[in-house]
Amino acid sequence: KAGVTQTPRYLIKTRGQQVTLSCSPISGHRSVSWYQQTPGQGLQFLFEYFSETQRNKGNFPGRFSGRQFSNSRSEMNVSTLELGDSALYLCASSRILGYEQYFGPGTRLTVT
Amino acid sequence: DQQVKQNSPSLSVQEGRISILNCDYTNSMFDYFLWYKKYPAEGPTFLISISSIKDKNEDGRFTVFLNKSAKHLSLHIVPSQPGDSAVYFCACGGSQGNLIFGKGTKLSVKP
Repeated sequence: KAGVTQTPRYLIKTRGQQVTLSCSPISGHRSVSWYQQTPGQGLQFLFEYFSETQRNKGNFPGRFSGRQFSNSRSEMNVSTLELGDSALYLCASSRILGYEQYFGPGTRLTVT
Repeated sequence: DQQVKQNSPSLSVQEGRISILNCDYTNSMFDYFLWYKKYPAEGPTFLISISSIKDKNEDGRFTVFLNKSAKHLSLHIVPSQPGDSAVYFCACGGSQGNLIFGKGTKLSVKP
């Protein structure tokens, strides 16, 4: 069974631009979660989608948004990029909310 | 306010000895607990989990212990191997919704 895939793997953007990251979950998984990882901050929860509905949201500004499509694929968007948005963005999928999640390799975003 | 805490940012252990990683949580609504392992530039890999109805779960060299009254869980790795060197995250979740992760403990296993 194929794992979680994320595209692109690496991205360099400048301040003020916007970016869209994509995640394809494991087949059969309907829940997709997004996390931001920065040094020393662990995994900061962004949001979680289940059956195209946002079920939970972390404490991030409105510049961070996401959506999930009917095939469970998900995208997250960051508008008006800031230097502090440089991070590893991880997507994880699971069958059921709150249980085992399986992570993709992440997208490394660098904002200059 | 952190709901899930891993108070040791790093741990160094000799190869062949036991590694014990600890995690504390504050929310009594959590009923499912997990450990993940992460290498640099990769996504976390699921290691082992335990539900609140149990106090121990084993999988090979990895054992997770849960003390619900103390709101504490730990991961034991026996024997530790150099390939176990990574960052370990505990996560709490279950029926209340999304997983909440600790900040991680960097384990170094020295040959």
